Amino acid sequence: QVQLQESGPGLVKPSQTLSLTCTVSGGSISSGGYYWSWIRQHPGKGLEWIGYIYYSGSTYYNPSLKSRVTISVDTSKNQFSLKLSSVTAADTAVYYCARVGAVAGTVWFDPWGQGTLVTVSS
Amino acid sequence: SYVLTQPPSVSVAPGQTARITCGGNNIGSKSVHWYQQKPGQAPVLVVYDDSDRPSGIPERFSGSNSGNTATLTISRVEAGDEADYYCQVWDSSSDHPGVFGGGTKLTVL
Repeated sequence: QVQLQESGPGLVKPSQTLSLTCTVSGGSISSGGYYWSWIRQHPGKGLEWIGYIYYSGSTYYNPSLKSRVTISVDTSKNQFSLKLSSVTAADTAVYYCARVGAVAGTVWFDPWGQGTLVTVSS
Repeated sequence: SYVLTQPPSVSVAPGQTARITCGGNNIGSKSVHWYQQKPGQAPVLVVYDDSDRPSGIPERFSGSNSGNTATLTISRVEAGDEADYYCQVWDSSSDHPGVFGGGTKLTVL
């Protein structure tokens, strides 16, 4: 079955760019049929959808974050990545990657990676 | 953007039935998905498309959706069901489509 694993720095300085990678195993991103997403959870808070990408590179971002977010895909490595620029303490969160399931105009997220905590601090 | 409202907490005794609600304007016209999140773990999809269960999810978990309220029902609650539960919709008519509820803490007494 498909498994996802996030990786990247756990500490980022304010104003810098947060960069994370999600490695997919048990299935190929380039086989198509699925989108791949990033979601975050602020400490002790709820969930916030960040955006998703298709293997072709087409993307869809949360408008609240769109100006700072870039999601990209590397099919040769079976990975997709998140970059969030100009971070502040408000971007401190656990970041999850997930596969997107979709049918008839609705979207859900399954499965999820284990998540990685990113702290923004000097 | 679309708003989903969940009660902060629900408590139930073992063996009883827990019902967790998710309110939204005409939510019955949308597909609702539910996630279970245990402490320190990633969310797990337990119900999708209002009432379908992913493989491996017990039949004790079921969902319904009508009017302004969607409901996740957990029958014969076990201690291991204690977790946070989140509802989620995809509001394709909005420029902010991916929406989660605020979450409900299920406590098994």
